[in-house]
Amino acid sequence: SQKIEQNSEALNIQEGKTATLTCNYTNYSPAYLQWYRQDPGRGPVFLLLIRENEKEKRKERLKVTFDTTLKQSLFHITASQPADSATYLCALDEDNFNKFYFGSGTKLNVKP
Amino acid sequence: DAGVIQSPRHEVTEMGQEVTLRCKPISGHDYLFWYRQTMMRGLELLIYFNNNVPIDDSGMPEDRFSAKMPNASFSTLKIQPSEPRDSAVYFCASSLMKQPQHFGDGTRLSIL
Repeated sequence: SQKIEQNSEALNIQEGKTATLTCNYTNYSPAYLQWYRQDPGRGPVFLLLIRENEKEKRKERLKVTFDTTLKQSLFHITASQPADSATYLCALDEDNFNKFYFGSGTKLNVKP
Repeated sequence: DAGVIQSPRHEVTEMGQEVTLRCKPISGHDYLFWYRQTMMRGLELLIYFNNNVPIDDSGMPEDRFSAKMPNASFSTLKIQPSEPRDSAVYFCASSLMKQPQHFGDGTRLSIL
């Protein structure tokens, strides 16, 4: 069956360091992969999208990689700040971007 | 620029009662999605609409759940009769074709 795995344990890092979050999947062949941020009591907010033919995408301090051979995406936040503390969700598409499945998310804590 | 608006934000009701959740998507968006989020199962897609037409309702847990989209600016998710296991946060999201989804802030539903 299809499965998306994100580390369920919280990631604790020091301010200024690079945070790296992992999204692994099985039994999917997604054309697109997205990363969202979710704060407590709020809905997910879109951050970045990467296509299957793209290896890497950047936006300001954020970087996403997409390895379709390893079936893995890595999400990096450089020069992390306490304001980056949130839960980060990855989402994979099915049916050519019309339907998405979300991972359970990884909670990031950035300590000052 | 108004985002996706959901109401109510919180709902507490007794088992067996009918529950209606409401969603106003972003104007101009042609896709609307209903999700449910729990600690155990994460964010699950229940149903999605394209141009007000239900496209895929395979995620709807059972016949007690129904969703409608009578026009482009309004959708409802109804649970009748409600059960304690329906307690969760329900999110509505909207998007334009091939664009990332915009989420509302959810309805926190508690069935006693």
